[in-house]
Amino acid sequence: GIQVEQSPPDLILQEGANSTLRCNFSDSVNNLQWFHQNPWGQLINLFYIPSGTKQNGRLSATTVATERYSLLYISSSQTTDSGVYFCAVVLSSGSARQLTFGSGTQLTVLP
Amino acid sequence: KAGVTQTPRYLIKTRGQQVTLSCSPISGHRSVSWYQQTPGQGLQFLFEYFSETQRNKGNFPGRFSGRQFSNSRSEMNVSTLELGDSALYLCASSGSYEQYFGPGTRLTVT
Repeated sequence: GIQVEQSPPDLILQEGANSTLRCNFSDSVNNLQWFHQNPWGQLINLFYIPSGTKQNGRLSATTVATERYSLLYISSSQTTDSGVYFCAVVLSSGSARQLTFGSGTQLTVLP
Repeated sequence: KAGVTQTPRYLIKTRGQQVTLSCSPISGHRSVSWYQQTPGQGLQFLFEYFSETQRNKGNFPGRFSGRQFSNSRSEMNVSTLELGDSALYLCASSGSYEQYFGPGTRLTVT
């Protein structure tokens, strides 16, 4: 099956710092999403970005589908950005919508 | 538009019992998927339903089953619970490609 690797596994930042999270995937995909898991466990949608670049406030994401990676940028980080960030993909083949998740990046933003 | 809802939010069961979890998707969404999250295995796909038909199934034993009703609401059932079934169960709703998750049901098996 498709492999999804996220790096780094853990990231500790001082408030105000910028960060880049990376997601590598091993096969062609027709869906790539970034999520933030809140302390209660819910996955919050950040970006649906199978290709190209999107921005939403302090967050932006870029997916280079031909090179099979995606990047999530967090600028001017805040303590509320803390949590686990997941990248998830759906294979291009087939009609089902099975998301395969990476193992996540645990982000801690210190005040 | 209301989001994905899951009930119950928390559940404690005893080994050997069975459990049913419920998911109501976003209005108009016909695809519902279920995922299990554990500290050891991460987020794993259980199954997907579309228009009352199971379209895809993950690598889980037959004790895990599900169904979808004509209003797109879905239930998943786990029979003969084992300690290892303790997990956060997440439901996702989709209208096209983007998937939206509910708050989850946290199941503890004792």
